[in-house]
Amino acid sequence: QVQLVQSGAEMKKPGASVKVSCKASGYTFTNYDINWVRQVPGQGLEWVGWLSLHSGSTGYAQKFLGRVTITRDTSLTTTYMELDRLGSDDTAVYFCMREVRQWRRANDVWGQGTLVTVSS
Amino acid sequence: EIVLTQSPATLSLSPGDSATLSCRASQSVGTYLAWYQQKPGQAPRLLIYAVSNRATGIPARFSGSGSGTDFTLTISSLEPEDVAVYYCQQRSDWPSFGGGTKVEIK
Repeated sequence: QVQLVQSGAEMKKPGASVKVSCKASGYTFTNYDINWVRQVPGQGLEWVGWLSLHSGSTGYAQKFLGRVTITRDTSLTTTYMELDRLGSDDTAVYFCMREVRQWRRANDVWGQGTLVTVSS
Repeated sequence: EIVLTQSPATLSLSPGDSATLSCRASQSVGTYLAWYQQKPGQAPRLLIYAVSNRATGIPARFSGSGSGTDFTLTISSLEPEDVAVYYCQQRSDWPSFGGGTKVEIK
């Protein structure tokens, strides 16, 4: 079945980097785009960035520019989100989602989420 | 950045009631508006895309309407399993989400 499976929880120290993976299966990888969002515990959803799996083009939220990089490995059908210079306010659950162009770019499949905890 | 404002923040209703959730955009988003449901400890689930189209497997009691800047998600007959937080999201520009409406059962 169509699914996105993310890597496991991470615990990092302030100033470190984290790289979260999102493996796609059950569909043609390059026919869709991927968004990453995050959710601080108890709060709402915040968009982090977007990747075209066809072209490799990216777009990032202003807040994260210069600190986030989203990449893909087509041979592994996997997308990666790397966030640098972590602070305690980056503690959140990070989700990847599949974007459907034909559905006005709604996100129909979500990963299970990866908790990133930043603490000294 | 397009800002989405959802109201009310919390909705407390009885089973069988109709729930009306509002989402207002700071500028027109055309038909690039979706709704998601998130239950505690779970990833969000797509309910409605392109304003009024139900995603695969979504019950008919969920419906969406609106245009331009004002949108509504209606749950026609509330069931206990509908307890969740509901988010609207636009994709007319880079994505943004509303702050959410929490639906509770009295």
